[in-house]
Formats: sequence, C-alpha cells, structure tokens
Amino acid sequence: KAGVTQTPRYLIKTRGQQVTLSCSPISGHRSVSWYQQTPGQGLQFLFEYFSETQRNKGNFPGRFSGRQFSNSRSEMNVSTLELGDSALYLCASRFSGRVADTQYFGPGTRLTVL
Amino acid sequence: GESVGLHLPTLSVQEGDNSIINCAYSNSASDYFIWYKQESGKGPQFIIDIRSNMDKRQGQRVTVLLNKTVKHLSLQIAATQPGDSAVYFCAENRYNQGGKLIFGQGTELSVKP
Repeated sequence: KAGVTQTPRYLIKTRGQQVTLSCSPISGHRSVSWYQQTPGQGLQFLFEYFSETQRNKGNFPGRFSGRQFSNSRSEMNVSTLELGDSALYLCASRFSGRVADTQYFGPGTRLTVL
Repeated sequence: GESVGLHLPTLSVQEGDNSIINCAYSNSASDYFIWYKQESGKGPQFIIDIRSNMDKRQGQRVTVLLNKTVKHLSLQIAATQPGDSAVYFCAENRYNQGGKLIFGQGTELSVKP
C-alpha cells in the first residue's frame, strides 16, 4: 500500500497570505490528523477528521482550519499567515476512529512564511 | 498542564551498544503510549506502542517499558546500528481525547561507528 502523501512538500508564502495543504491517507484509512512541528514547540496536534467530521481540535487559533472529503483526503488551510506559522505540517492517518489504532505519518509540508 | 517530557535531548552511543531513551508523562490517566522515530526530512515513523495495562512490550530489537507508579516510559534499542540515528519521540494517546497524540520534545540519538 502506498503511504500517506502530502502536497506540496515545500511552500514559501508571505505574511498575510493564505495557504492550503493537502493530505491523502493510506487507502482504507478514514481518520486523518494534522500536526504542526516547530523547533521551539515540537509536535503539536491541530485537529482530527473522521468520516468528514472534525472529531477533535487542538489549541490553535481559528486561522487554522481543515476539512475532509468523502474519499478521506483532507486539506488544511491557514489564513492570514504569520511568521510564526513557519513549520513542518504533518498529516497522519489511521484505519478507524479507535484511539489505539496506529497513526501513520506522511513526510510533511515545509511551510516558510516570509 | 499536560505534558509528555523527555529526560535528555541528545544521546550518543557506540555502534553495537544498547540504547535507552527515557520519557516522563504527567497524566496518570494516560492510556496508551507510542514511540516514533523521525529521520531528517521525513515524518515520524511508528516503532512500538504499549497500553497502560501492560508494563513491557517487545519488538524487533526494541523494548518499551512502562512504569505507571512513577509515570515513566523507556525505549530500549538493542545492538544499536548507524541506521538507528534519528530523533525519537514518545507520544501519549488518551482514550477520552480521540486521536490526539501528545508528543514529548524528542531525543536525538547519534550512533558512532
């Protein structure tokens, strides 16, 4: 099976712009979670989607949003970009909504905000 | 607050030696723990997990130990190889918080040939 794929892999934006990142989960997986990784804060949970519904949300401002499509692919959007949004954005998928299901991560999208 | 912390930010070992990476967690209600390995330029890769009703679990060359009394988790890597060089994260998954993983800060393992 193909792993989790994320596009684009690298992105450069300027402050105030918005960005959309895409994640395709492993075939058959219905849950997709997003994480932000920075050197200062480490890996932080953004949100989780299961069957097109947001199931859980981390402590991020409303500028961070996401959605999931009927084929389980997910997108996250960041509006009004700030310098501090520069990070590696990771997507993880798992088979079902059960907590103990292993989450498999994609390679990430490296976002740089100038 | 909630946290899953690591004792050491870096660990350097000789090839062939055993490595031990430690992790402390703060919430005694935590249910499930996972170790991930992250190599440069890649996403975290699942290594091994353990549920709170267990105190030890073994995989291929890896063993995870859970001590609920002191809220401590460790990852042991036997016969460490250069390919084991990476950052290792422990993560906590709580049954009442869906799929939210709470990650520790990471330990960078460096294997000297």
